[in-house]
Amino acid sequence: DARVTQTPRDKVTEMGQEVTMRCQPILGHNTVFWYRQTMMQGLELLAYFRNRAPLDDSGMPKDRFSAEMPDATLATLKIQPSEPRDSAVYFCASGLAGWTGGTFFGQGTRLTVV
Amino acid sequence: ELKVEQNPLFLSMQEGKNYTIYCNYSTTSDRLYWYRQDPGKSLESLFVLLSNGAVKQEGRLMASLDTKARLSTLHITAAVHDLSATYFCAVRSQETSGSRLTFGEGTQLTVNP
Repeated sequence: DARVTQTPRDKVTEMGQEVTMRCQPILGHNTVFWYRQTMMQGLELLAYFRNRAPLDDSGMPKDRFSAEMPDATLATLKIQPSEPRDSAVYFCASGLAGWTGGTFFGQGTRLTVV
Repeated sequence: ELKVEQNPLFLSMQEGKNYTIYCNYSTTSDRLYWYRQDPGKSLESLFVLLSNGAVKQEGRLMASLDTKARLSTLHITAAVHDLSATYFCAVRSQETSGSRLTFGEGTQLTVNP
């Protein structure tokens, strides 16, 4: 059963600490997305990658957020330093460019910064 | 900038009734998605609509796309409690590269017994 896997599922951290979220896309998918979901802003695209190259990270606060794909099976989203306003659910999603199927979402990482 | 608007944002309905959720978008698109999200859960893909006039049905849900009007609808027939969830439409713009999706605000559906 192919699925997008995210770790950790929940993270509580203190303000100022570094947070790293990990995502394993579905095997064979070449497009990976990071979304953030909050009650106020809904679903926002933070960054996305095609064949491991960043295509768009305009939705990401550059001073504290960074996203990378060290290899085809791992995407990371890092926040340093974290702030309370970063509290949200972060979703990773993957898809296959050119395919008419959907984009598949992981279970999300619920981040709470206190 | 692509804007996607859903209405209503909140919908409370009785079991057995029919209703429609609307999704309007602001620029040309070649692909529209509907997702379902249960509280505290991930987004589950329901439908992908690829062309003008496309209609897809799964159980009590039917989605359609009118690209000329830039409108998609999600019709619920004879609602049951299990359909209670938040429904999102998401649009891929033809004006941007890649596969990025812009999501609507979501419609929170509550089906009451």
